[in-house]
Amino acid sequence: DVKVTQSSRYLVKRTGEKVFLECVQDMDHENMFWYRQDPGLGLRLIYFSYDVKMKEKGDIPEGYSVSREKKERFSLILESASTNQTSMYLCASSLNRARNSPLHFGNGTRLTVT
Amino acid sequence: AQKITQTQPGMFVQEKEAVTLDCTYDTSDPSYGLFWYKQPSSGEMIFLIYQGSYDQQNATEGRYSLNFQKARKSANLVISASQLGDSAMYFCAMREGQGAQKLVFGQGTRLTINP
Repeated sequence: DVKVTQSSRYLVKRTGEKVFLECVQDMDHENMFWYRQDPGLGLRLIYFSYDVKMKEKGDIPEGYSVSREKKERFSLILESASTNQTSMYLCASSLNRARNSPLHFGNGTRLTVT
Repeated sequence: AQKITQTQPGMFVQEKEAVTLDCTYDTSDPSYGLFWYKQPSSGEMIFLIYQGSYDQQNATEGRYSLNFQKARKSANLVISASQLGDSAMYFCAMREGQGAQKLVFGQGTRLTINP
């Protein structure tokens, strides 16, 4: 089974702090993704990566950056956390570009910015 | 414009009944894939079923089936013989175009199974 591991289940940070969310997958998947989930809005894509050191903006990249230095690891960075970034953050990976390749998700990190 | 629309914010169903969760989508690309995910209260997203735009038959996976009506751009999830453990959020998602990686999700439907 694919395992996608997010380093923290819960995080509480202060406004203005730099925040790192880490994600590791163990199945040599090409693609990795960061989504945020908010009630009534579903999942919205922040950034994704299709290869090491490659990244593409998703639908809501403002206020975020990402890093993929190794194939198995994809980090989401909040340069200066704000209260409107309080949310559930979900990391996912997929094997390749095949249309039927599903995303496999981690358990999520619930971030609260105070 | 919304790419994926799930019009039922919440549904309540008696145990053992069948349930249909609605999903409509919007794309002009002839090549796309549709996915359904389940998210229990524990939070993990579980992949349930996939339907490709060129697939001739409706997808099935155990108690899950997908009622795919291409002309109407709908991909409803049908759960047969519902169980208490089916209570969860359900999300419909689409990947459009050849070689595309990202999935676009709907807002979700919260399904509650009553004993």
